[in-house]
Amino acid sequence: EVQLVESGGGLVQPGGSLRLSCAASGFTFSSYWMHWVRQAPGKGLVWVSRINSDGSSTSYADSVKGRFTISRDNAKNTLYLQMNSLRAEDTAVYYCARSGGYGYFDLWGRGTLVTVSS
Amino acid sequence: AIRMTQSPSSFSASTGDRVTITCRASQGISSYLAWYQQKPGKAPKLLIYAASTLQSGVPSRFSGSGSGTDFTLTISCLQSEDFATYYCQQYYSYPPAFGGGTKVEIK
Repeated sequence: EVQLVESGGGLVQPGGSLRLSCAASGFTFSSYWMHWVRQAPGKGLVWVSRINSDGSSTSYADSVKGRFTISRDNAKNTLYLQMNSLRAEDTAVYYCARSGGYGYFDLWGRGTLVTVSS
Repeated sequence: AIRMTQSPSSFSASTGDRVTITCRASQGISSYLAWYQQKPGKAPKLLIYAASTLQSGVPSRFSGSGSGTDFTLTISCLQSEDFATYYCQQYYSYPPAFGGGTKVEIK
């Protein structure tokens, strides 16, 4: 089955760190660009970051630049998001998503909830 | 950065209705526009890309049109499973940007 499964979310204090993972299966992971998209409670979708197929190029939203790092391990079919210096406004469901080289997202995971609170 | 504006933000409709949702880009994006459907507690689902190309498996009652700055998503005959929130997204340039969403509720 073609799927993405996120993990690693949870409750963290402001200023803390968390690493999200996204396990891919059922397709050739190393052929696709991958992204993280987040959704604050009751709000809309916001793109966070992307990485190209071999991991040599990354891009970030201004709101997370310098604090978040996207990476991937194609041998393990896994995407990561290292989140440092977390803020209350980072509270959201984080989705990993696949794009086929254009920029629309044709496969999404179920998401993992990150809550930043003291 | 390109901003995407959807209208309306929400509305009520009945099963069988023809509904249209509008998305406007702050600058021209050619046809680099996608539409997604999201149900509560679920991940978004791709419906349409390249403004008018139906994703595999999506019912033909969904259609998209437009280019440049103005786009529409039309559901020709609303079904019970179509009550959801719909988002447009531009992928013409980075950062990719979503509209604020349109919630379609049952009348």
